[in-house]
Amino acid sequence: ILNVEQSPQSLHVQEGDSTNFTCSFPSSNFYALHWYRWETAKSPEALFVMTLNGDEKKKGRISATLNTKEGYSYLYIKGSQPEDSATYLCALRDRGSNYKLTFGKGTLLTVNP
Amino acid sequence: DSGVTQTPKHLITATGQRVTLRCSPRSGDLSVYWYQQSLDQGLQFLIQYYNGEERAKGNILERFSAQQFPDLHSELNLSSLELGDSALYFCASSVGSGREENIQYFGAGTRLSVL
Repeated sequence: ILNVEQSPQSLHVQEGDSTNFTCSFPSSNFYALHWYRWETAKSPEALFVMTLNGDEKKKGRISATLNTKEGYSYLYIKGSQPEDSATYLCALRDRGSNYKLTFGKGTLLTVNP
Repeated sequence: DSGVTQTPKHLITATGQRVTLRCSPRSGDLSVYWYQQSLDQGLQFLIQYYNGEERAKGNILERFSAQQFPDLHSELNLSSLELGDSALYFCASSVGSGREENIQYFGAGTRLSVL
């Protein structure tokens, strides 16, 4: 069973703060890493799909980096806004598990106005 | 709106009963995935179908089964329901079979409550 760990479990920041959180995963058999944003009462929405060591992706104020050799990815949010409040999930696809996605439990971000 | 449709949105039933959850993938997507989200658990992969055939299987109980029909919609059947089956069940779809790196698009989920 793959272990995809996300930290912290939850995070409270003030509007305008920049923040980041971590996704850790076993580095052997790595194939791809997905980041999803999940707002309450909505469905998970894909943010990034990353496949190469050193990948950096950006979407507006949100960016992500990937280190497949040491088995971690960071998600950064610059100048957090209340609408960024959501659970951020990472999911690993690896060659050893028939390419299925294994999700972490997520980081719950609350941005206070 | 992701384009993935799940029905019903809510389902309340009793232990021992059988229910069917339905999923219509995005237009053009051939793969359908089913996930379970229980309290304090991450999204757990159950099963994947690609163009009507089972492609990958996760931690799906023997009491659960799924299929994908020729029109590509999928159904997840849950039988002999137990209290612990209460969860949010998501369907997702993607263009490919899962061996290429395609984004999965999630439906809004079906919340199952077993009383």
